[in-house]
Amino acid sequence: NAGVMQNPRHLVRRRGQEARLRCSPMKGHSHVYWYRQLPEEGLKFMVYLQKENIIDESGMPKERFSAEFPKEGPSILRIQQVVRGDSAAYFCASSPEGATQYFGPGTRLLVL
Amino acid sequence: AQSVTQPDIHITVSEGASLELRCNYSYGATPYLFWYVQSPGQGLQLLLKYFSGDTLVQGIKGFEAEFKRSQSSFNLRKPSVHWSDAAEYFCAVAPTGTASKLTFGTGTRLQVTL
Repeated sequence: NAGVMQNPRHLVRRRGQEARLRCSPMKGHSHVYWYRQLPEEGLKFMVYLQKENIIDESGMPKERFSAEFPKEGPSILRIQQVVRGDSAAYFCASSPEGATQYFGPGTRLLVL
Repeated sequence: AQSVTQPDIHITVSEGASLELRCNYSYGATPYLFWYVQSPGQGLQLLLKYFSGDTLVQGIKGFEAEFKRSQSSFNLRKPSVHWSDAAEYFCAVAPTGTASKLTFGTGTRLQVTL
């Protein structure tokens, strides 16, 4: 069983561009979580999704950030008009039942 | 709101020595408790978890953790550290009974000297 897949692993964007981060959960997992890790900090929750539904987006910035988990295909975290402060590692986790979360390798976003 | 405290930002131990990483949580009820390890540039790997039952839980790589309700603690231990254990360790909590987000501590960076 392959683990959680994230791509790209590294992403460089200039200020004002869009960033799209993809997450394919483990087979059989219907719960997906996104977290952000700023340098020298722990992970902060952003959003929790189940297939086609956003369950909890209390950690998402109100503007420029959106997430989806369509019926088919990976979950997408989208950041519009990126700013330097968006530079971070973004981790996706999946879970079969919602309690135990398994993490992907992360996407390191650098905004120039 | 729940919070997790890892009071030690950085710990250095010699290879072969024992290890204890501290974790305290603040929560209305006993939450689900987790320890994850992160190697540089990598994702997080689950070491062990506590949901209920026996308060001493065994994990992978020879790690164990003990839940102490009276102290709101979930400390991670290993009797003999290996150089490959050098990494960052995160304690995390989640509400029981529901699928929910994890709240992480700020992490403890472990350095192992040979």
